[in-house]
Amino acid sequence: QSALTQEASVSGTVGQKVTLTCIGNSNNIGTYDVGWYQQISPGSPKTVMFGDSLPSGIPDRFSGSKSATTASLTISGLQPEDEADYYCSTWDHSRSVWVFGGGTKLTVL
Amino acid sequence: QGTLWESGPALVKATQTLTLTCTFSGFSLDTTGMCLIWIRQPPGKALEWLARIDWDGDVYYNTSLKTRLTLSRGSSKTQVALTMTNMDPVDTATYFCARTHSVVYPTIDLWGRGTLVTVPA
Repeated sequence: QSALTQEASVSGTVGQKVTLTCIGNSNNIGTYDVGWYQQISPGSPKTVMFGDSLPSGIPDRFSGSKSATTASLTISGLQPEDEADYYCSTWDHSRSVWVFGGGTKLTVL
Repeated sequence: QGTLWESGPALVKATQTLTLTCTFSGFSLDTTGMCLIWIRQPPGKALEWLARIDWDGDVYYNTSLKTRLTLSRGSSKTQVALTMTNMDPVDTATYFCARTHSVVYPTIDLWGRGTLVTVPA
């Protein structure tokens, strides 16, 4: 069982807005920024969000936010190439461990 | 910017010790705030954090794997090495090296391509 909780699967149509969530607690998400990582198998993960900041080269249809102990990744204007697994992660200071979510499989219909 | 690449054996027998090396370029682990992380992913499963080493030498381990892991700076200033003892088929996974630093902490801004390690049953 992962320390951070993500939806197992989310789907949307091209052009739609979808939001993926990542639920933690006060020791992790409540304290630190959350990273979001896109993985298109069989490749390595790619960072698509640093907290609410967009890495260079990532389309601005991606946005990140956080409220208390829940982080969100929103994709506005879903594109076929967005179909991938998405993981969230951050640091947990109470246990001194890095924590990951179980991943969300995003399907573009 | 930087690059990371992982190296090590593709096949390890059960009970043996695995040693993986992360070689990096374009940055220094001596820079304040720099951290290197090891993460693994069994086939078809989620990412799992293994260990972290900081610019000041501090090391942190996955609680469940702590007794089997050792993360250290390599003989070269551009390498870190992860050892995992008593390998088991359940340790079959792609092992990734990744980086974070104070500007983006604790999010990861750089990933290696990963190296697949198989432990036959």
